[in-house]
Amino acid sequence: QQQVKQSPQSLIVQKGGISIINCAYENTAFDYFPWYQQFPGKGPALLIAIRPDVSEKKEGRFTISFNKSAKQFSLHIMDSQPGDSATYFCAASMLYNFNKFYFGSGTKLNVKP
Amino acid sequence: KAGVTQTPRYLIKTRGQQVTLSCSPISGHRSVSWYQQTPGQGLQFLFEYFSETQRNKGNFPGRFSGRQFSNSRSEMNVSTLELGDSALYLCASRQGFEQYFGPGTRLTVT
Repeated sequence: QQQVKQSPQSLIVQKGGISIINCAYENTAFDYFPWYQQFPGKGPALLIAIRPDVSEKKEGRFTISFNKSAKQFSLHIMDSQPGDSATYFCAASMLYNFNKFYFGSGTKLNVKP
Repeated sequence: KAGVTQTPRYLIKTRGQQVTLSCSPISGHRSVSWYQQTPGQGLQFLFEYFSETQRNKGNFPGRFSGRQFSNSRSEMNVSTLELGDSALYLCASRQGFEQYFGPGTRLTVT
């Protein structure tokens, strides 16, 4: 059973556009939702994360929107750049229950110049 | 601080052999987790160690095992390798809420 569902699988965006990646979860016990960025040949790098007590978190061009009632969260990349082309993973965990992370299936983003 | 390091970076083994992968966490991090990443299954949690104790385990067969040393360094062992074990094996260390990944070990089983 997939704990975190991520969409779309792939995304093509023009330079300067907005990239939006969505994730949904079922387990209401999750209380930490990070996003990771992975370039080919590299490990995933923590990008931004949110806890369920806030509805939005912004860091530079990256914003997480969180909807607790819908059990959904999304990553918005504003002013997308070719250097943002990578695979993005959402994840969820229960931090006070031995820290087991569940990952989405990933979204391959291609930002065209 | 130095990031998470993993050795070796690449490994080619034959079916039936065993392999040991090594991970050094970020200095001060006591939690180390291991993940398997494949194109078909994505990122799957293997196990997590904290202060030399396995705290959590994913749904992998007993051929996959690990341990953590007193300096927080961790090793993962896979015995009786199968073709399906070919994957990128990622180690991650954590302190507080944030988990940081190493570059991974690319294991190819022939």
